[in-house]
Amino acid sequence: DSGVTQTPKHLITATGQRVTLRCSPRSGDLSVYWYQQSLDQGLQFLIQYYNGEERAKGNILERFSAQQFPDLHSELNLSSLELGDSALYFCASSGRDRGHNEQFFGPGTRLTVL
Amino acid sequence: GQSLEQPSEVTAVEGAIVQINCTYQTSGFYGLSWYQQHDGGAPTFLSYNALDGLEETGRFSSFLSRSDSYGYLLLQELQMKDSASYFCAVRRELTGGGNKLTFGTGTQLKVEL
Repeated sequence: DSGVTQTPKHLITATGQRVTLRCSPRSGDLSVYWYQQSLDQGLQFLIQYYNGEERAKGNILERFSAQQFPDLHSELNLSSLELGDSALYFCASSGRDRGHNEQFFGPGTRLTVL
Repeated sequence: GQSLEQPSEVTAVEGAIVQINCTYQTSGFYGLSWYQQHDGGAPTFLSYNALDGLEETGRFSSFLSRSDSYGYLLLQELQMKDSASYFCAVRRELTGGGNKLTFGTGTQLKVEL
């Protein structure tokens, strides 16, 4: 158990809809990262937050947005969903120990867009 | 841009030693990480190299040569439970303190009896 929690575990929705994925980092970690893993694209970095502020952006679509709240939990919002957005979405956290050399991944949310 | 290359599949027998290579091209290189992922599971951290040389953690070792933009993960005394995907990932420190990991496409390791 990494100490990172993600909800929901599974999500099935229709094209055009909007969903919110939630992540709670390990206790004491200030950094939160979001990743998308699909069969054809591998593990892709989306965005990083540190103590409530956006710090790094990857291949995140404009239809996607994220935020980190004062209690350090984070949410990833996906809107105008397309079939191609079906993937595993992982949240990771770092910082409490080993600096940011090690990221601790949550169990993921499996999103299926029908 | 950035690119990482690693073999897509490796097969080895239980008890053997296997080496998974990773070559990378990136600007702003900070370090090379290795993660293990079992089917349907979350990636778990194995090792991190920021400096040239070998880092050993139990049965796993990782090597980095910054001048060659090359690293490898060495797994010794293979066990069936080591069957998984292994990802190398380049860490870049960005202006403003951002921290970005770019993952390779992964190497599927199959351990056979």
